Amino acid sequence: GAVVSQHPSRVICKSGTSVKIECRSLDFQATTMFWYRQFPKQSLMLMATSNEGSKATYEQGVEKDKFLINHASLTLSTLTVTSAHPEDSSFYICSARSRGLSNQPQHFGDGTRLSIL
Amino acid sequence: AQKVTQAQTEISVVEKEDVTLDCVYETRDTTYYLFWYKQPPSGELVFLIRRNSFDEQNEISGRYSWNFQKSTSSFNFTITASQVVDSAVYFCALSEKADNFNKFYFGSGTKLNVKP
Repeated sequence: GAVVSQHPSRVICKSGTSVKIECRSLDFQATTMFWYRQFPKQSLMLMATSNEGSKATYEQGVEKDKFLINHASLTLSTLTVTSAHPEDSSFYICSARSRGLSNQPQHFGDGTRLSIL
Repeated sequence: AQKVTQAQTEISVVEKEDVTLDCVYETRDTTYYLFWYKQPPSGELVFLIRRNSFDEQNEISGRYSWNFQKSTSSFNFTITASQVVDSAVYFCALSEKADNFNKFYFGSGTKLNVKP
């Protein structure tokens, strides 16, 4: 079945560091990828929709200069948390949907646990 | 307003008991999808089921069953003869045709503890 690979699975770094998270669709092309954030014991909240070849669409309240999204190819989207601070510590999950019909299911990556010291 | 409500924050059962996880949704769209995902402690989301709004037939898959009732806007999930490995957080989610099925509206999740 369709697989979405997310890397790294865990990051621990110092405050002020920028962290890049990759989301790859391994066996299908994804014109659209999605980035979610999950705080401990809370639900997943959509942060932004990543569109191949164009700017990402951010949800209300998400700082686009803080969370940079690049969708350079049909199989790769990256999320960069710039100048990360402890409050950015969270679980980040990406998902991707195949090209074609809009009702295709989304496939989720395994998530990245980000811890900022 | 919350589009997906999972009123049960946490449920504890003893192994072999049956347990039902509730999900109530809200949408003005006539075309939508409902989902259930399992999230074990490791964090990944495990897809369990997707149901479109035009298919109200209940579904059974092994020990899992789902009851979709449009009249009450509910999509409940039952685990029969629960096992310790079923312990996880379970999320119900909704996507709507109105935004091209792009957004997933997740419920707040229900943490299921199955004790031996």
